[in-house]
Amino acid sequence: DVKVTQSSRYLVKRTGEKVFLECVQDMDHENMFWYRQDPGLGLRLIYFSYDVKMKEKGDIPEGYSVSREKKERFSLILESASTNQTSMYLCASTSGDDYGYTFGSGTRLTVV
Amino acid sequence: AQSVTQLDSQVPVFEEAPVELRCNYSSSVSVYLFWYVQYPNQGLQLLLKYLSGSTLVESINGFEAEFNKSQTSFHLRKPSVHISDTAEYFCAVSASPSGNQFYFGTGTSLTVIP
Repeated sequence: DVKVTQSSRYLVKRTGEKVFLECVQDMDHENMFWYRQDPGLGLRLIYFSYDVKMKEKGDIPEGYSVSREKKERFSLILESASTNQTSMYLCASTSGDDYGYTFGSGTRLTVV
Repeated sequence: AQSVTQLDSQVPVFEEAPVELRCNYSSSVSVYLFWYVQYPNQGLQLLLKYLSGSTLVESINGFEAEFNKSQTSFHLRKPSVHISDTAEYFCAVSASPSGNQFYFGTGTSLTVIP
């Protein structure tokens, strides 16, 4: 089975800190995605990537950046964390031949 | 662009009763439809999908969904729920079967009451 691993299940950071959320997949998938999940809002796409070193903005990219230096790893960066970025962050991957995403277990980030 | 509406944010149901979780979508192109389930403190798992062919699709744990093009709906049903079905359910639409970009509904929280 494809596995998508998010390095942290829970994180607590202070306002203004730079935060790195890591995501690694082990099935050579081309496409990787970062979503945030908030009650009543569902999942909203932050950034996605179709290949190494490329990235595309999703619906809510403000305050975030991403990095994809290797095919298997897609990092989400909060340049200066703010309290409104407290959320559950979900990473997903898919290949061009796959049908549907495979999600990681999520990282619940709290910014205080 | 596509969008998804899940009208019911919370659905409580007694154990062994039937349940229907509603999903409507809007799209100007052909779509592919998915239901995902999220158990507490976990990521999302694919429950079932409609890509083409038979409009009725089934999952391995007794859920089914029917694609209705005229109603632009993809409602999820189960004839008899179990306690273990308590979870958040998300409907999603994509313009491609590989789902390069999904649009998710806001989710429906199903609570099964003993």
